[in-house]
Amino acid sequence: DGGITQSPKYLFRKEGQNVTLSCEQNLNHDAMYWYRQDPGQGLRLIYYSQIVNDFQKGDIAEGYSVSREKKESFPLTVTSAQKNPTAFYLCASSPGGHTEAFFGQGTRLTVV
Amino acid sequence: GQQLNQSPQSMFIQEGEDVSMNCTSSSIFNTWLWYKQDPGEGPVLLIALYKAGELTSNGRLTAQFGITRKDSFLNISASIPSDVGIYFCAGLGNSGNTPLVFGKGTRLSVIA
Repeated sequence: DGGITQSPKYLFRKEGQNVTLSCEQNLNHDAMYWYRQDPGQGLRLIYYSQIVNDFQKGDIAEGYSVSREKKESFPLTVTSAQKNPTAFYLCASSPGGHTEAFFGQGTRLTVV
Repeated sequence: GQQLNQSPQSMFIQEGEDVSMNCTSSSIFNTWLWYKQDPGEGPVLLIALYKAGELTSNGRLTAQFGITRKDSFLNISASIPSDVGIYFCAGLGNSGNTPLVFGKGTRLSVIA
């Protein structure tokens, strides 16, 4: 089936550790995005990529890093520099340029 | 970055009632999108609007692209329990070089 797969669904990490969230899509979409969602908040853009080997910072990029080595993959690393990493993380993709975005199921990260 | 004002923030309604929510912006948008997010899941695209004045339906859902291009409305008729969730509006600007801008969401609760 075509879609966007985020893994794992739930992730627990100790404070001070880096953690990488996976996002894979088989829709042949050019653009991919990472959003963060906190309770009662909307979706805040962390990073996005419109083409392989290129990405741009979103509104809240500090403490995060990404790579786009393959069209279908856009992993997000939450570094120890992120002050408040516990959140629900959503990956999305869109067909070409910035158009309708389609979302994965999300990863809930809890840092203890 | 740009912001969308989405209202109301939350709604409690009786099953069978109609629901209206809206989204406004200080900027003009070329595309308006409406998403629904079930608890613990990623948002799912409900309706996409591409032209000022456009009115589009998807089952019991109807959305409109405002004439000024600065607002959009979503109506749900005869609500049912599975309508519960968070509804997000999103807009895409003129340039096509910036990602979707999301509202903070309207949380809908349906009382049976």
